[in-house]
Amino acid sequence: EVQLVESGGGLVQPGGSLRLSCAASGFLFNDYWMHWVRQDPGKGLVWVSLIDIDGSTKMYADSVKGRFTISRDNAKNTLYLQMNSLRVDDTGIYYCVRASTGRPDYWGQGTLVTVSS
Amino acid sequence: DIVMTQTPLSSPVTLGQPASISCRSSQSLVHIDGNIYLNWLQQRPGQPPRLLLYKVSNRFSGVPDRFSGSGTGTDFTLKISRVEREDVGVYYCMQATQSPWTFGQGTKVEI
Repeated sequence: EVQLVESGGGLVQPGGSLRLSCAASGFLFNDYWMHWVRQDPGKGLVWVSLIDIDGSTKMYADSVKGRFTISRDNAKNTLYLQMNSLRVDDTGIYYCVRASTGRPDYWGQGTLVTVSS
Repeated sequence: DIVMTQTPLSSPVTLGQPASISCRSSQSLVHIDGNIYLNWLQQRPGQPPRLLLYKVSNRFSGVPDRFSGSGTGTDFTLKISRVEREDVGVYYCMQATQSPWTFGQGTKVEI
């Protein structure tokens, strides 16, 4: 059974940092591209970042470019998102998402990040 | 970025009756490989999104056959043939033809 379990969310002040983790199991982690998607409070879904199977390709939404860094450790079956210089509008539930060709086929339960003073 | 627009944003439905949601993209979703990477997601209350349909009309694992999808180019439709109580939630169309992924605003389906 495919499982994606996020952790690392919490309350942080503007300008602070957080590191999100996503532990993957039930599939060959290093065969899949992985994404982070944010759900704004009571609102819709926003794509944040992606990484390819070996970490050589990374992409970011314009709103997080230069502040967030995606990475993965295939030996530990874990995806990461380092979030620096956090802003109030970074607040939301962050989902770890497995991507098969052209589709987001499995989502984690999400971890809540709240940026507030 | 490709803009995805859903209508309606809210859909009151009657149990056992059909329901339909439309999704329009700001540009064609035909990929250079010939596929259309238009997907539908379902988010039940308190749950993360889950994949419902992929490449316009293909049901993902475990999805009941009362869900169907159609469309081509820029206009797409999700249909529920007979709404059941467990179908309550928010439905999103999303495109994966071009990076970045983009999502519709969501359509709330309620009894």
